[in-house]
Amino acid sequence: GAVVSQHPSWVICKSGTSVKIECRSLDFQATTMFWYRQFPKQSLMLMATSNEGSKATYEQGVEKDKFLINHASLTLSTLTVTSAHPEDSSFYICSARDQGQNDEQFFGPGTRLTVL
Amino acid sequence: GDSVTQMEGPVTLSEEAFLTINCTYTATGYPSLFWYVQYPGEGLQLLLKATKADDKGSNKGFEATYRKETTSFHLEKGSVQVSDSAVYFCALRKGGGSNYKLTFGKGTLLTVNP
Repeated sequence: GAVVSQHPSWVICKSGTSVKIECRSLDFQATTMFWYRQFPKQSLMLMATSNEGSKATYEQGVEKDKFLINHASLTLSTLTVTSAHPEDSSFYICSARDQGQNDEQFFGPGTRLTVL
Repeated sequence: GDSVTQMEGPVTLSEEAFLTINCTYTATGYPSLFWYVQYPGEGLQLLLKATKADDKGSNKGFEATYRKETTSFHLEKGSVQVSDSAVYFCALRKGGGSNYKLTFGKGTLLTVNP
């Protein structure tokens, strides 16, 4: 299957700082990528749909100015958590849609964010 | 709105035991149904899927049948192995075009002991 990477795999930051997480499709082009948040023992919650060359579509209740998404190329989407607070600590997962493989979503390994 | 409910874990089995993880869904229309597996330290991987009623998805000895009458998609395997230890997620997807959003259940942790 296709491969999606995320960087970094974990990050610790101070409250008030911003953190950028990268999601890359390594062997296919993805016009659409998705960002999820996963809390312990809970489901993946879709935060936003990232579309190459256009603005992201955010799910209800997700702050656009807090979670900035940029999808500047067909292989890279970034999620920036601005002015992070301890309640933003979570596991963030991205996926990329491969139109060449029946629109299947391929998932990255996730990024653990801890805000002190 | 759409939702997926799967059995609470954790599930602990001995090697070669029979596995069932229940999954039911609520959705309008005709969603596609999926099982994803997440091995420790890795991303989610598609395990199997079914796109219409009565379809059976199968992979690596796992099976699930799309039952529209009971809105269910239960995952089964006849004989589990230690290497099957992972978190299993049931999910549904509706729509086409630009709408390919997945709705996930909470996940079920499976531990298989030798």
